[in-house]
Amino acid sequence: AQTVTQSQPEMSVQEAETVTLSCTYDTSESDYYLFWYKQPPSRQMILVIRQEAYKQQNATENRFSVNFQKAAKSFSLKISDSQLGDAAMYFCAYRRVRRDDKIIFGKGTRLHILP
Amino acid sequence: DARVTQTPRDKVTEMGQEVTMRCQPILGHNTVFWYRQTMMQGLELLAYFRNRAPLDDSGMPKDRFSAEMPDATLATLKIQPSEPRDSAVYFCASGLLLMEGWTEAFFGQGTRLTVV
Repeated sequence: AQTVTQSQPEMSVQEAETVTLSCTYDTSESDYYLFWYKQPPSRQMILVIRQEAYKQQNATENRFSVNFQKAAKSFSLKISDSQLGDAAMYFCAYRRVRRDDKIIFGKGTRLHILP
Repeated sequence: DARVTQTPRDKVTEMGQEVTMRCQPILGHNTVFWYRQTMMQGLELLAYFRNRAPLDDSGMPKDRFSAEMPDATLATLKIQPSEPRDSAVYFCASGLLLMEGWTEAFFGQGTRLTVV
């Protein structure tokens, strides 16, 4: 069975600094998707970034980028120039490339931004 | 502005009562998920549908939970009878699976259920 592990329940970073959130996953598949979702206090789940496993290039969205290490099954999220609005729970998620497959989430990392 | 709509946003009910949560997926999306979020377990998948047909409901306690899609614009999650341990935030999400790949899943704002 596929699993997603986020080993850091909480992290803190100074405003304007850079922080990296860790995620590892377990799968025997070669093709899949990986995602980072953000959940602010409003409860809304917001997709931050996604990565297709067949792509070697790491995905980037403005201040958010990933370090995708397929062999190590690692998918970390880097947030540059942290802003107060980045404070949230961050969830790493996985989905196989199959028509009948579901999204599996890690337990989340709560990120605090220190002013 | 396409969005997933969930109702009610918050629900407080007494143990033993029936609870129905509703979700309107984004028009045109063919996949609907129901997740439950608790502090202890995180986000657990309860059930999901493709083209209104249930694909997997193995995460759902069958004796009290049921999920349906009466039509393409409505998904429901029902708990009968409700118990205090069902207290959680329930999320609905919808997405579009195409032959060429999967688009992102969009989440509703969740229903916070409190069973007293």
